[in-house]
Amino acid sequence: GQQLNQSPQSMFIQEGEDVSMNCTSSSIFNTWLWYKQEPGEGPVLLIALYKAGELTSNGRLTAQFGITRKDSFLNISASIPSDVGIYFCAGQLMKAAGNKLTFGGGTRVLVKP
Amino acid sequence: NAGVTQTPKFQVLKTGQSMTLQCAQDMNHEYMSWYRQDPGMGLRLIHYSVGAGITDQGEVPNGYNVSRSTTEDFPLRLLSAAPSQTSVYFCASSYRGGNGYTFGSGTRLTVV
Repeated sequence: GQQLNQSPQSMFIQEGEDVSMNCTSSSIFNTWLWYKQEPGEGPVLLIALYKAGELTSNGRLTAQFGITRKDSFLNISASIPSDVGIYFCAGQLMKAAGNKLTFGGGTRVLVKP
Repeated sequence: NAGVTQTPKFQVLKTGQSMTLQCAQDMNHEYMSWYRQDPGMGLRLIHYSVGAGITDQGEVPNGYNVSRSTTEDFPLRLLSAAPSQTSVYFCASSYRGGNGYTFGSGTRLTVV
């Protein structure tokens, strides 16, 4: 079954604030990935992490590969309305058959009314 | 460059009917996968393929068949649709040594 626990399940953002989400696993992965999904579309890759302790940025997004290789977090700085969507973490075992992905349950990011 | 193309985008089936969800990629990717997405459960792997003629089961394979006769195409067949198969289905592809997968835009399937 699903191995990744992603939290929070949902969050409200206010324009300009920083937010973070994280993902923990019972298993070790050698690659961590963060995807974003918008309504009616498939997930789109945001950031890929390959080494324990690695910190990688993509614009206002920053993600880290935990040193235990069982966790990762994603930060969004200075939120804007288009950050709304569902963010998924995924663990990958490269060189395992098919380089299969295991997904977290997602963090739904919504705008504060 | 179309990427990963899935058809149809929407489908309604009656219980017991069969159908094939189509997936094609034009990136010459060796690896292809099918996932289903249900509320609150993320994406779960149904079947995957590491190359033409080679397929294997994922986490939730029951009720689905796949084949991979060409590098480009990876159809998913529902043999006898059940309401529990109501879901959004995503096809994805990747290079053998690449990071992550590129996803199609999905097929929303309702079984009544």
